[in-house]
Amino acid sequence: SAVISQKPSRDICQRGTSLTIQCQVDSQVTMMFWYRQQPGQSLTLIATANQGSEATYESGFVIDKFPISRPNLTFSTLTVSNMSPEDSSIYLCSVGHRGRGTDTQYFGPGTRLTVL
Amino acid sequence: AQSVAQPEDQVNVAEGNPLTVKCTYSVSGNPYLFWYVQYPNRGLQFLLKYITGDNLVKGSYGFEAEFNKSQTSFHLKKPSALVSDSALYFCAVRPTDKLIFGTGTRLQVFP
Repeated sequence: SAVISQKPSRDICQRGTSLTIQCQVDSQVTMMFWYRQQPGQSLTLIATANQGSEATYESGFVIDKFPISRPNLTFSTLTVSNMSPEDSSIYLCSVGHRGRGTDTQYFGPGTRLTVL
Repeated sequence: AQSVAQPEDQVNVAEGNPLTVKCTYSVSGNPYLFWYVQYPNRGLQFLLKYITGDNLVKGSYGFEAEFNKSQTSFHLKKPSALVSDSALYFCAVRPTDKLIFGTGTRLQVFP
């Protein structure tokens, strides 16, 4: 299984500011995903981070609010822009392999974000 | 639409008793089914998956899950619950490259 690390593990931010979350994997992976888990809720997919091209966003999520970078096959960042208290959530990075639906998708430890 | 349902928000069980956490799904084609566990202040940990073959799948920490195609279910089970099993459990289906999660079930094991 892949070992996934995220930075920061948690942060408290002021309304209107932005936070960039980093995700690092110990091996090359085809797919990298970003999820949001709002308090007491299930996981919602924000976007698929594509290496060398723009991320693919799910319905309800836009690039201006959640810009994503993926410069290589082991690293990705998610920025939460112009934050409001509604953005308080756990943000999770996840990895898998394209075209291998049977493959297990693994998750990072998450970044707990609180917006005041 | 493809979806996963976990009908119980919370399951309570006494330590040493068997536990079941329920999951039903609605997908087209062959279902690839997963169970994940989330301990407090931790990310999701993979427990087990069903791809094909034997309907009873064994996973980590003594957990197992039974795939039932006719009932479109994939219930998580453990013969003897431990207090340390108390956590949030998510069922998920992967019809394409993306996982679709259920709403989660909180398992509380009492000593």
